[in-house]
Amino acid sequence: EIVMTQSPATLSVSPGERATLSCRASQSVSSSLAWYQQKPGQAPRLLIYGASTRATGIPARFSGSGSGTEFTLTISSLQSEDFAVYYCQQYNNWWTFGQGTKVEIK
Amino acid sequence: EVQLVESGGGLVQPGGSLKLSCAASGFTFSGSAMHWVRQASGKGLEWVGRIRSKANNYATAYSASVKGRFTISRDDSKNTAYLQMNSLRTDDTAVYYCTRSYDPPHFDYWGQGTLVTVSS
Repeated sequence: EIVMTQSPATLSVSPGERATLSCRASQSVSSSLAWYQQKPGQAPRLLIYGASTRATGIPARFSGSGSGTEFTLTISSLQSEDFAVYYCQQYNNWWTFGQGTKVEIK
Repeated sequence: EVQLVESGGGLVQPGGSLKLSCAASGFTFSGSAMHWVRQASGKGLEWVGRIRSKANNYATAYSASVKGRFTISRDDSKNTAYLQMNSLRTDDTAVYYCTRSYDPPHFDYWGQGTLVTVSS
């Protein structure tokens, strides 16, 4: 099983600042990497797939990069609605999720 | 508008069974793979299993934690996927989401989830 490790567990950021979230795979997943956002009491929402392609309707302030085993989700200027938990997921070899990064208001 | 609506959750005793349903609309259900993902309270997301389309022989796959106890099926005439859960354990307690994948197989549509509680 491919293990996905996200860091940090919690990220404290002020509105308007940049947030950088990391995700590492235990073996190469090529570009088969997605990012999801989840707010309390809601289902996850797809943000990024193919490591860097924004899903339909996702604002341009969200960007993804990386390939192989190292990936990054960047939120260029945090808005109030962006405070949430973010999960990475690999779909190169079955499906596994990282443990999540909580982005909280500083 | 795409909708995935789960139902069938509830309280069940350890060792018991429960069947969840996922009713889909707004996309080509018959051509999609359908998955179940669960989330224990305060925890992360765990992939449970999936069923592929008729073109892919309705192939199923499961996580190690549920293999042999859970079964996924689908009825394309009703645009509905199912998760039959047997021999339930307390650690199966979670919100269960149905979700869809197409090509590439990330999860683009999600239901709102249904809560399954396994407790005596």
